[in-house]
Amino acid sequence: DAGITQSPRHKVTETGTPVTLRCHQTENHRYMYWYRQDPGHGLRLIHYSYGVKDTDKGEVSDGYSVSRSKTEDFLLTLESATSSQTSVYFCAISRDRGGDEQFFGPGTRLTVL
Amino acid sequence: GQSLEQPSEVTAVEGAIVQINCTYQTSGFYGLSWYQQHDGGAPTFLSYNALDGLEETGRFSSFLSRSDSYGYLLLQELQMKDSASYFCAVIPNSGGYQKVTFGIGTKLQVIP
Repeated sequence: DAGITQSPRHKVTETGTPVTLRCHQTENHRYMYWYRQDPGHGLRLIHYSYGVKDTDKGEVSDGYSVSRSKTEDFLLTLESATSSQTSVYFCAISRDRGGDEQFFGPGTRLTVL
Repeated sequence: GQSLEQPSEVTAVEGAIVQINCTYQTSGFYGLSWYQQHDGGAPTFLSYNALDGLEETGRFSSFLSRSDSYGYLLLQELQMKDSASYFCAVIPNSGGYQKVTFGIGTKLQVIP
């Protein structure tokens, strides 16, 4: 299995507070992604990174920011969490050109009260 | 844009064969992938079709027909552990190779 970890695995927070989720990989893969998964929507891309300091928006990027200062770490920040951001967040990595074969982390279950 | 359609649920008998379809409306894409996800778990990659035709990996096969805007995942010799959700995903060629779009998934229940 690809070496991907996410932290925290579970978090409960209150509306309006900032939240940062961390994804760490030991595979030295170039591409990293953040998805959210909600019932009835499947997986939706929030942001992705194609290298250190190189990121781009996905389908549902509003309210989220990301940073990648090292190859192995990709951070997702909710500047001011809202209840609509309650979800399961998955980080993924891929090598080569990117999107065809992705390896997913274990996920973070975030609840915003 | 791109839209993927999958059946929401499928039930099949242990030992049988099941086909999970994925139809799409997209202006163009690089390829079609399939992922498996058990309840409470993370998605895991199963297969990728860049070209039309059948790709076989053990008990699982995946098929793509661009002319019919259609793909499917075929699971043979079903086992109880195959009970999971299955997602198709496309890489549209309009937004970059990393902007993958997933279907909402098909929940497969394998019964004895």
